[in-house]
Amino acid sequence: GIQVEQSPPDLILQEGANSTLRCNFSDSVNNLQWFHQNPWGQLINLFYIPSGTKQNGRLSATTVATERYSLLYISSSQTTDSGVYFCAVLLTGDYKLSFGAGTTVTVRA
Amino acid sequence: GAVVSQHPSRVICKSGTSVKIECRSLDFQATTMFWYRQFPKQSLMLMATSNEGSKATYEQGVEKDKFLINHASLTLSTLTVTSAHPEDSSFYICSAGTGQNYGYTFGSGTRLTVV
Repeated sequence: GIQVEQSPPDLILQEGANSTLRCNFSDSVNNLQWFHQNPWGQLINLFYIPSGTKQNGRLSATTVATERYSLLYISSSQTTDSGVYFCAVLLTGDYKLSFGAGTTVTVRA
Repeated sequence: GAVVSQHPSRVICKSGTSVKIECRSLDFQATTMFWYRQFPKQSLMLMATSNEGSKATYEQGVEKDKFLINHASLTLSTLTVTSAHPEDSSFYICSAGTGQNYGYTFGSGTRLTVV
């Protein structure tokens, strides 16, 4: 099956700092999503981004499908950004999302 | 936006009893829903794909007789954990596809504790 690797596994930030999370995948995909899982377990859909660049407030994401990676940028981080960020992909021709192991982000005040 | 509602959010049950978890798509129809399980500090593991009007498809290693899935309508899928044991304690999350340009959306999850 497809391999989805996220880095770094853990990230500790000071409030106000910027950061970049990476997602590498091993095969062609037709869907890539970034999720934020908050401390209560809710998975929040951040971006649906199979290719290109999108921005939503302090967050932005870029997927380079031909090179099989995606980046999630967090700018001016806030304590509410803490949680686990998951990258999930849908293999071309498949209908089941494959998740990476996640990046745990801790933002300190 | 598309919303998936999941209930209950938290349940504690005695060993040997059964627990039903509901997953509803509130403002769209979902012919396919997905059930995941998540252990502490781990990623989501797909358990099964729920198909409206037909039998669910289970992932390898998932006991279909223990985790009963029913998808009787286009807006409701249920997962029943039968004869629950402490090792079934986990976080269960459902998901549905919402269309090509939005991807998949997830319910808020159910934390099951079997005592």
